[in-house]
Amino acid sequence: DAGITQSPRHKVTETGTPVTLRCHQTENHRYMYWYRQDPGHGLRLIHYSYGVKDTDKGEVSDGYSVSRSKTEDFLLTLESATSSQTSVYFCATSGSQETQYFGPGTRLLVL
Amino acid sequence: QQQVKQSPQSLIVQKGGISIINCAYENTAFDYFPWYQQFPGKGPALLIAIRPDVSEKKEGRFTISFNKSAKQFSLHIMDSQPGDSATYFCAASMVSGTYKYIFGTGTRLKVLA
Repeated sequence: DAGITQSPRHKVTETGTPVTLRCHQTENHRYMYWYRQDPGHGLRLIHYSYGVKDTDKGEVSDGYSVSRSKTEDFLLTLESATSSQTSVYFCATSGSQETQYFGPGTRLLVL
Repeated sequence: QQQVKQSPQSLIVQKGGISIINCAYENTAFDYFPWYQQFPGKGPALLIAIRPDVSEKKEGRFTISFNKSAKQFSLHIMDSQPGDSATYFCAASMVSGTYKYIFGTGTRLKVLA
């Protein structure tokens, strides 16, 4: 397995508070991705990065921002959490090949 | 045009049987089609993948069949085992560029002992 860790693994927060999720990789992969997984929707891309400081939006980016200041770290921020952002969040990385490697996920509950 | 439609949503198979999951896409620019397996509480992991220049790829008990003209591909699990019980996702991407995946909605497979 690619060395991908996510933190925290579980978080409960209240509506309106900011939340930051962290993805850390040890594979020196260029590409990093944030997905959310919801029943009936599969995995949907939130944001992705194609290099340090290079990011772009995915299909469900509203309410989320990202930053990548180092190759190994990709941060996902919910500026003001809403109940609709309750989900399981997965980080993934990809090097020069097509395969994406997924982290263990972060379960977020917004009350 | 960016959707990947996956069916069935859930599947129950007897041990030793064949599990078949189907996916269909619209964008003919897609040129890489992976299948991911996900166990409860874990992240998805690549199971097998195919490019459109071949019609079939087999790895052990897992086979992808690909029909370019119909824009469909399917996963066949032969001799299904209880340990295969998991959620399976198909995906499609364009290899050039950023390797963004479009995922299907997933199939929850249960193999009865």
